[in-house]
Amino acid sequence: AQSVTQPDIHITVSEGASLELRCNYSYGATPYLFWYVQSPGQGLQLLLKYFSGDTLVQGIKGFEAEFERSQSSFNLRKPSVHWSDAAEYFCAVALSYNTDKLIFGTGTRLQVFP
Amino acid sequence: DTAVSQTPKYLVTQMGNDKSIKCEQNLGHDTMYWYKQDSKKFLKIMFSYNNKELIINETVPNRFSPKSPDKAHLNLHINSLELGDSAVYFCASSQAAGANVLTFGAGSRLTVL
Repeated sequence: AQSVTQPDIHITVSEGASLELRCNYSYGATPYLFWYVQSPGQGLQLLLKYFSGDTLVQGIKGFEAEFERSQSSFNLRKPSVHWSDAAEYFCAVALSYNTDKLIFGTGTRLQVFP
Repeated sequence: DTAVSQTPKYLVTQMGNDKSIKCEQNLGHDTMYWYKQDSKKFLKIMFSYNNKELIINETVPNRFSPKSPDKAHLNLHINSLELGDSAVYFCASSQAAGANVLTFGAGSRLTVL
């Protein structure tokens, strides 16, 4: 069955440090890939998405993610983390452009220390 | 202006009761969804509606009944609440069916005692 794995449940970084959140998917073809962020008490907000083309995609708030087909990964990165980035981050996959169904990973909680 | 709004934000109730959660979007989107987030933060789709028509029903117990009076509203009614129904329920919308980019509401935390 198709699945999304976020191996890190909880990550702690210092403000100003670089960040990488990992996401791996299990699917035979190229999926449509997303990263969403959930701040405490809020709904999810789309950070970025990959549908096709350049495998390095830029998103909002200074985030970027790289699709690596050989690794079945779509890792999220930010060169310098801000305290306001503390949140829960979800990777998600859609198996085709025509589906309404997103499959989410279990999330990574990011804690930022000053 | 809130794009996707859900009410109530918090709901505490006894087992066996019936409750509803309302959702409205003012984005002019055609498609609306209900997702359930359990205590481990796992998010799973429950239903999607496109222009008031049910598109996805993800093997949710029939105690859960979504209703879409118009394309801007998708309400979730739950009968005979069980402890396992305790979760955060998120409403979301997208511009069209299959468009994939979702706008989420802030969630409704349901606690069943």
